[in-house]
Parts: sequence; structure tokens; C-alpha cells
Amino acid sequence: AQSVTQLDSQVPVFEEAPVELRCNYSSSVSVYLFWYVQYPNQGLQLLLKYLSGSTLVESINGFEAEFNKSQTSFHLRKPSVHISDTAEYFCAVRAFSGGYNKLIFGAGTRLAVHP
Amino acid sequence: DGGITQSPKYLFRKEGQNVTLSCEQNLNHDAMYWYRQDPGQGLRLIYYSQIVNDFQKGDIAEGYSVSREKKESFPLTVTSAQKNPTAFYLCASRPGTGLEAFFGQGTRLTVV
Repeated sequence: AQSVTQLDSQVPVFEEAPVELRCNYSSSVSVYLFWYVQYPNQGLQLLLKYLSGSTLVESINGFEAEFNKSQTSFHLRKPSVHISDTAEYFCAVRAFSGGYNKLIFGAGTRLAVHP
Repeated sequence: DGGITQSPKYLFRKEGQNVTLSCEQNLNHDAMYWYRQDPGQGLRLIYYSQIVNDFQKGDIAEGYSVSREKKESFPLTVTSAQKNPTAFYLCASRPGTGLEAFFGQGTRLTVV
């Protein structure tokens, strides 16, 4: 069965510092991976996705993630964070079984950016 | 504007009462999902539906029920059998050929 592990429940960081949010997955089939961001009391917004092709994917607001098949990882990085990046981040993998398609989420990582 | 609408945003109910959470989408998406979110546990799948009149149990379906009579609507009923219903509930949809899900703004249910 597919699963997702986010290794850090909370990541505190100072503004303008780099950050890495870690995600490992297990999947025995073709891998499709996603990072979502959630601001307080809101739904989830797609940040970036890996479907195929280049293993490095980027978002419009400076985040990037690299698909590493040998390490079964999809870590999210940003070279310089802003206060506005404070949010909860979820890694997800597509699961496909019995003819049904669904997303399996990790437990989330709360990113707190301090001035 | 196209999107997913969950209503209400906040909901309070007395213990023992059934309550129905609304989820409507005008994106013409085939698949719809209900997730429950609790602090430190991420999102757990309650029910999902690939097409109209078809739905499947997710990982934590006990104490919940759904219907999918129309493509745009996927209401979730939290029954009195659900032992710990207080949570943040998220509805999502996905186009038939797409891989990513789109989320509503959520409903925070508090049972007292």
C-alpha cells in the first residue's frame, strides 16, 4: 500500500533563511507526487507536482522539490523564506487500487517563519 | 468563478444529532472526496466517489455516510455513530483525466 511520511511535524526558521521540508513515500506503482500548502482555517492549495519528466519541479513562489526515486523522497526546498510562507505543508502521493484513484497525504509539516 | 464550495464554514451541533455538510463544485469534475483533518494527523480519507451514483469507503468511513446523486454535489452526513466528530472537514474534486485534487475551504464541525 502507498504511504507518505513527513519527517518533521514542525520546522521553525528565520526569515530569509533556507528551508527543507522532508517527504518520503512508498509506492509500488508509477509515482505521482504533490505538495500542498494550507493557510489557517483554509483549504489546501496545490504548490507543485511531479508527474513525469524532469525530477526537479518548481512553483511560482520560489519553492522547488526534487523527485529522488532511489531514496523514495520528494523534499520541498526554498532558498530564502518569507514571513508569508508560514503555513502547513502536506506531501501527497497518488494511490490507484481496485480501479479507484485517490490521494494519500502525509501528516503535515508546520513551517513557522520568524522575523 | 469555478470552484468548490463547502458550507457552512463553521457548524455546531449537540452530541447525538446527525449533521450534513455540503460540498458543491461547478468544475465539471468527475471525482469527489471527503477528508477529515485533525491536528498532527494530516488528512484522512472518509469517502470518495469516482462517478455519479458510485462511492467507496475510505480509511475512516465508520460513522459517516454520503450520496452522489448529482455530479456537482457530494454531501457528507456525520451520524451519531461517529464517536469523535469534532474536526475540520475538507471536500475535494478531481477531473476524470487529471491527477491533482482541488479543495474547498473546509467546514469546522464542533460537537458539544
